[in-house]
Amino acid sequence: DVKVTQSSRYLVKRTGEKVFLECVQDMDHENMFWYRQDPGLGLRLIYFSYDVKMKEKGDIPEGYSVSREKKERFSLILESASTNQTSMYLCASSLMGTVDEKLFFGSGTQLSVL
Amino acid sequence: GENVEQHPSTLSVQEGDSAVIKCTYSDSASNYFPWYKQELGKRPQLIIDIRSNVGEKKDQRIAVTLNKTAKHFSLHITETQPEDSAVYFCAATDSWGKFQFGAGTQVVVTP
Repeated sequence: DVKVTQSSRYLVKRTGEKVFLECVQDMDHENMFWYRQDPGLGLRLIYFSYDVKMKEKGDIPEGYSVSREKKERFSLILESASTNQTSMYLCASSLMGTVDEKLFFGSGTQLSVL
Repeated sequence: GENVEQHPSTLSVQEGDSAVIKCTYSDSASNYFPWYKQELGKRPQLIIDIRSNVGEKKDQRIAVTLNKTAKHFSLHITETQPEDSAVYFCAATDSWGKFQFGAGTQVVVTP
């Protein structure tokens, strides 16, 4: 079974803090994604990565950056957290090479910025 | 880029009735259409998917239909049960495997 693990289930931070959200997958997947989930807005793509040290902006990259130094790990960074970044963050991974490979999600990190 | 619209946003059905959720997409190059179910407090899980060369797919009480010409696809749940209550997301993917999701449908099955 594919396992996508997010380091924190709940996180409370203050405005202006630098925040790191970590994600690790154990199935040697090339593709990794960070989504943000808000009620009524569905899952919105923040950043994705097709390979180590490679990153692409998604639909809402503003205020975020990412790091992929190792294939299994994909980190989301909030350089200076703001209250409008309070949200559920979901990491996901999939195989590259076949267009219909399934997307596997982590359990999510509920981030509150006060 | 791809844009996926999903309707309705909420759906309340009596146990035993059918539920239908509809999605439209904009990018004619999209060729894979998965559906995810997210129960309260849990991660989204794939429940069924369909490829662009197939018009319909069924798995027990759930089925998905795809109309490539009209660029829409639908999820059908028959004989609904309380455990079908969840948020359902449709998605479309491009040739790079990038998933674009709909806004979700909250399904409530009442006994």
